[in-house]
Amino acid sequence: ILNVEQSPQSLHVQEGDSTNFTCSFPSSNFYALHWYRWETAKSPEALFVMTLNGDEKKKGRISATLNTKEGYSYLYIKGSQPEDSATYLCALHSGGGADGLTFGKGTHLIIQP
Amino acid sequence: NAGVTQTPKFQVLKTGQSMTLQCAQDMNHEYMSWYRQDPGMGLRLIHYSVGAGITDQGEVPNGYNVSRSTTEDFPLRLLSAAPSQTSVYFCASSSYNQPQHFGDGTRLSIL
Repeated sequence: ILNVEQSPQSLHVQEGDSTNFTCSFPSSNFYALHWYRWETAKSPEALFVMTLNGDEKKKGRISATLNTKEGYSYLYIKGSQPEDSATYLCALHSGGGADGLTFGKGTHLIIQP
Repeated sequence: NAGVTQTPKFQVLKTGQSMTLQCAQDMNHEYMSWYRQDPGMGLRLIHYSVGAGITDQGEVPNGYNVSRSTTEDFPLRLLSAAPSQTSVYFCASSSYNQPQHFGDGTRLSIL
């Protein structure tokens, strides 16, 4: 069982502030790192799939970086808005892409107006 | 375009009963998987398939069977339900190394 860790577990941020959180994973046997956004009572929605060391991806105010050598990825949200409140999940795809995804437990983000 | 469709949305079973959770996708995705979501545990992989006729175990496969006779369908079977299988179940599909598309989930209670 692969150990994918996310920190912090939960986070309260004031509206308008920027924030970031971490996903750590074993760097051996890395194939891809996924980020998902999961709102309450909905299903997870994909944000990014990252495969290359040093990769940086951006979607509106949300961006992510990847360091496969040290085994971590950061997710950044710039100028947080109430609609950003959700649980953010990262998931590791290992085994040359032939294995399933291993999810972290998520970072629960609450944006306070 | 329906995406990933899971049925039923809710189900209550008695211990020892069997049932099948259905999952269908219309995006011609090779890769399909089943997860369960429990409080404090995140999403845990039960079984997955990389194509028709191919299935493999995930992190928590015990008590569940799957089959993949067609590209579109990936049913999850509980042969003898146990209270520990009370959970929310999500099915997902994707093309190879692409983001996963999730169904709306099935909330299952075992009494």
